[in-house]
Amino acid sequence: KAGVTQTPRYLIKTRGQQVTLSCSPISGHRSVSWYQQTPGQGLQFLFEYFSETQRNKGNFPGRFSGRQFSNSRSEMNVSTLELGDSALYLCASSREGRREAFFGQGTRLTVV
Amino acid sequence: GENVEQHPSTLSVQEGDSAVIKCTYSDSASNYFPWYKQELGKGPQLIIDIRSNVGEKKDQRIAVTLNKTAKHFSLHITETQPEDSAVYFCAATPDNYGQNFVFGPGTRLSVLP
Repeated sequence: KAGVTQTPRYLIKTRGQQVTLSCSPISGHRSVSWYQQTPGQGLQFLFEYFSETQRNKGNFPGRFSGRQFSNSRSEMNVSTLELGDSALYLCASSREGRREAFFGQGTRLTVV
Repeated sequence: GENVEQHPSTLSVQEGDSAVIKCTYSDSASNYFPWYKQELGKGPQLIIDIRSNVGEKKDQRIAVTLNKTAKHFSLHITETQPEDSAVYFCAATPDNYGQNFVFGPGTRLSVLP
């Protein structure tokens, strides 16, 4: 059974640009959540989607947004990139009604 | 909101010894506590979890204990092996349905051969 797949694995962007990251959950999982991981702030919750609806949102500015498609795949978008947005962005999926969340390998975003 | 603290930040043990990592949480409504292991270049891997209605859970060499009164939970690894070397994160959430975990800052465990 395939795990959570995130694409691309690495990305380099320039300040001011925007970026879209993709996440394909484990087959059968309908909940997708996103986290930002940095050395200084650790793992921080961005948002969670379930059945194409945002169910929870963390404390991040409006430049960070996401969506989920009918096949449960999810994308997150960051607009007007700042140097501080450089981080590992992780996606996790879980089955409906289950608490266990499984992470992908992440997308390493570098903003220059 | 929830706040999770984790200690120690680094831990070195000899192969075969036990390792213990401790976490405290602030929100008494938190009811689910997973532990993740993250190796270099990989995403976090769920290794064990515990719910608030259980005091202890064990899976082979790994065990987790929960003290709801004191609001702390601990990870115990026995008979450590070099492949246990990684960064370990604890997390907590009061959300019954969501996956909005609050993570601790992590513990870097080194198992010396």
